[in-house]
Amino acid sequence: RKEVEQDPGPFNVPEGATVAFNCTYSNSASQSFFWYRQDCRKEPKLLMSVYSSGNEDGRFTAQLNRASQYISLLIRDSKLSDSATYLCVVNIYAGNMLTFGGGTRLMVKP
Amino acid sequence: EPEVTQTPSHQVTQMGQEVILRCVPISNHLYFYWYRQILGQKVEFLVSFYNNEISEKSEIFDDQFSVERPDGSNFTLKIRSTKLEDSAMYFCASRARADTGELFFGEGSRLTVL
Repeated sequence: RKEVEQDPGPFNVPEGATVAFNCTYSNSASQSFFWYRQDCRKEPKLLMSVYSSGNEDGRFTAQLNRASQYISLLIRDSKLSDSATYLCVVNIYAGNMLTFGGGTRLMVKP
Repeated sequence: EPEVTQTPSHQVTQMGQEVILRCVPISNHLYFYWYRQILGQKVEFLVSFYNNEISEKSEIFDDQFSVERPDGSNFTLKIRSTKLEDSAMYFCASRARADTGELFFGEGSRLTVL
C-alpha cells in the first residue's frame, strides 16, 4: 500500500459545482495532515491543515477519518481559479518528514 | 512577506558533473528541507535538516547527495556526479517549528542533466 494515495483525476467540473477529493494514508499512527495546492510548474502552497474535528475555510472543508485512514477535501462553488493539483500531505512517521501524495488534478470549466 | 529563495532557477549540466543548488530559507525558520519533483510525478522528500545536521533522509538521498548550511543564511544541496535521472525540479522548503505544517517552498530549481 502506498504511504499516501490519491486519485490522480482529472476531475472536470463546471463553475459553481461542489467537488470532493479523498486521500488515504498507510500509517494509523500518523498525526498531522494537510492539503496543499500546486499550480502547473509552480511550488506547492499550503491550502489548509486538517484537524481531527474537521475544519472549514471559506469554500473549503477538510475532514479526517482516522478509523478508515483517509482525509477529504470538499470545495464548494468551484471557481475557475480553483483549477490546480491538490496534494494530500501527511506526517506519516514521527519526525519532520512530510510525505506527499501524488496529487489530484482539478479542472474547473466555464 | 518573507519567502524562500532559490538559485539558479534553471541549470543545464552534463552527466557526471557536480551541481550545487542554493536556497535561502526564511530567516527565523529552524527546519529546512529539500524535495524533488520529476516532471509529471509526485513531490518526493529528499532530506530534512535541523540544528546543523541532517535529521532525516530518504532512499533517494544517497552518497551522491549532500547538504550544507555554510553560513547563517544559505542552505545548499550538492549532487556530486549527476545522472540523467537526476533531472527534476528541486524544491527547498523551510518551516518555523516542527509542530506546524506549513512548509514554505521556494519556486524551485529546475535541473536538466544531458
